[in-house]
Order: sequence, then C-alpha cells, then structure tokens
Amino acid sequence: SQQGEEDPQALSIQEGENATMNCSYKTSINNLQWYRQNSGRGLVHLILIRSNEREKHSGRLRVTLDTSKKSSSLLITASRAADTASYFCATDLNNAGNMLTFGGGTRLMVKP
Amino acid sequence: EAGVAQSPRYKIIEKRQSVAFWCNPISGHATLYWYQQILGQGPKLLIQFQNNGVVDDSQLPKDRFSAERLKGVDSTLKIQPAKLEDSAVYLCASSSLPGRVIFGQGTRLTVV
Repeated sequence: SQQGEEDPQALSIQEGENATMNCSYKTSINNLQWYRQNSGRGLVHLILIRSNEREKHSGRLRVTLDTSKKSSSLLITASRAADTASYFCATDLNNAGNMLTFGGGTRLMVKP
Repeated sequence: EAGVAQSPRYKIIEKRQSVAFWCNPISGHATLYWYQQILGQGPKLLIQFQNNGVVDDSQLPKDRFSAERLKGVDSTLKIQPAKLEDSAVYLCASSSLPGRVIFGQGTRLTVV
C-alpha cells in the first residue's frame, strides 16, 4: 500500500495562478520529498523537508510539513506552462536506509 | 554530475519472453534502487541495494523478477517470463547520503 496520497489527483490552472498540492501519509517519517515527472521522463527531485522542519522554500516552490496531521503541501507560485507535469510526494521512513515510498501523484496542467 | 544511466529506453516483448534492463548509477553512490511505475500510478520500490547487498526486496515478485548489482556498481533487473501486467516504466535510482535520490530516465516496457 502507498504511504503517501496526493490530493487532488488532477489540477488545471491558468498560467500565473498558484497551484497547491497536498500529501497525506500514515506513519512517522524522517523526511518527505517532492518530485516532478514530465510525461515519459524520469523523476526530478524538487525539495526535501525533514521531520523537524515546518516550511521550506526553493525558488517558486514552498513546501510545508505538519507532522501532527501527517500532511504536507507543495505550493507553486506564479505557475508557468512549463510547470505542467505530475508531482509526487515520497516519504522516507528510515533515514539511514533512504527508502522512499511514493504516492499516486497530482497531475498538474498549466494552461498558457 | 553525470546522471543515472539506463538502457534500453524502450522495449517491446511478447508475453512469456524474457527481458533485462541495465542501470549505471552515479559514481560513488552506494545505494541503488529499482522502481516499477505503472501508467497513472506512483513508483513502487522493487528492490534496494546497499553496495552489492540487498536491503529490501519485499515487493519484488521473485518467481519472475531477479536483480543483481555487480561489484556494487552496475545493476541488472530481469523478468522471466514476462506477463502483460509487467508493462510499466522501470526506473533505476541511486543515492549516497540519506536524502536526495537521483532517478534515471527509465525503461518503458510493453508486453504484448
């Protein structure tokens, strides 16, 4: 079974708008990572947030983590057509083993 | 840094045939992973190596799938015999320290 579940499964927005994707997980984690996948391509690492962190920024990306609710969110501000992709959260249950469990992903479409 | 290399990029085989995928991780990365990603789903971990030892292979269908990591560097994943439901993208990834996992472009397998 998947540890993380993204919500919504699909999201369609206009260029310039913000996109928010949510991830919920079931068990305690060491860190949570977000990845992007363009159609037919491999996964690209976006950002890692550790269990003792609450918020992290990277360019137009903002990730929050609420360990009490076992949830995380990824915010993409001022979206661009090039942001069109699938976004996955992955939880690392064992920091020493670095074993990632992925959710089902959010398919984001940004219309120009 | 050079990325994770995988070959072939695409493979089409008939059911009951055998197939093998190859992966060359980033130099110096001790941990290597094979993931299976069925269309529309998130990646599922099949097997994780630490150097040339297996850390986790609990989700590897061992009756038909096998994997090895030669001298703790390159790895091959084999399916014998293939079934229709094995159609998926097979992703290889590697990592050094706990944290960021780097993915290859994947091999898209179609079983007909």
